[in-house]
Amino acid sequence: AQSVTQLDSQVPVFEEAPVELRCNYSSSVSVYLFWYVQYPNQGLQLLLKYLSGSTLVESINGFEAEFNKSQTSFHLRKPSVHISDTAEYFCAVSDRRSSASKIIFGSGTRLSIRP
Amino acid sequence: NAGVTQTPKFRVLKTGQSMTLLCAQDMNHEYMYWYRQDPGMGLRLIHYSVGEGTTAKGEVPDGYNVSRLKKQNFLLGLESAAPSQTSVYFCASTDSGFEQYFGPGTRLTVT
Repeated sequence: AQSVTQLDSQVPVFEEAPVELRCNYSSSVSVYLFWYVQYPNQGLQLLLKYLSGSTLVESINGFEAEFNKSQTSFHLRKPSVHISDTAEYFCAVSDRRSSASKIIFGSGTRLSIRP
Repeated sequence: NAGVTQTPKFRVLKTGQSMTLLCAQDMNHEYMYWYRQDPGMGLRLIHYSVGEGTTAKGEVPDGYNVSRLKKQNFLLGLESAAPSQTSVYFCASTDSGFEQYFGPGTRLTVT
């Protein structure tokens, strides 16, 4: 079985400052890793994913995450945040062998941006 | 292309009442899921389906039933609502590529 731990429930930062949202996972098998974003009063949207290949993955709006197998981490970073990045961010993991494509979500990190 | 839609968006029920939440997707996806979202707990899987006519239990199935009579629809039923079922419910679908597409959610309050 897999599990996901998001170490910070809330992260307040100032606009244009860098941010890191931490995610650690536990699994006895190979996994796929994801970050989803939920803007206020909306459903979740995929932000980025690691399936294979390069351990550094990027999103179209400047976020990046690095898969670190030895530390079982998949931290999300952005060098300079905007007010529009205010949202809740969910790290998620999936067993590569899953026949049902099930995903296990972390408890979420609420990112609040101060002007 | 509407993606994943959910009906209704909001609902208030009294304890013991029943209701059905409807999820519809127009992407021809095989897999569909129902989650509930509660503060500080992320999303928890209630039930899921890997194809028309199939359903399976997730992490928190008690008190819920589901049906997938048509490929594009996935229904979540509450037979006798309880205050503990107050939550935001999300439906999602995927074509087994592991990227799940979510609906906008249904906010349910049970008094």
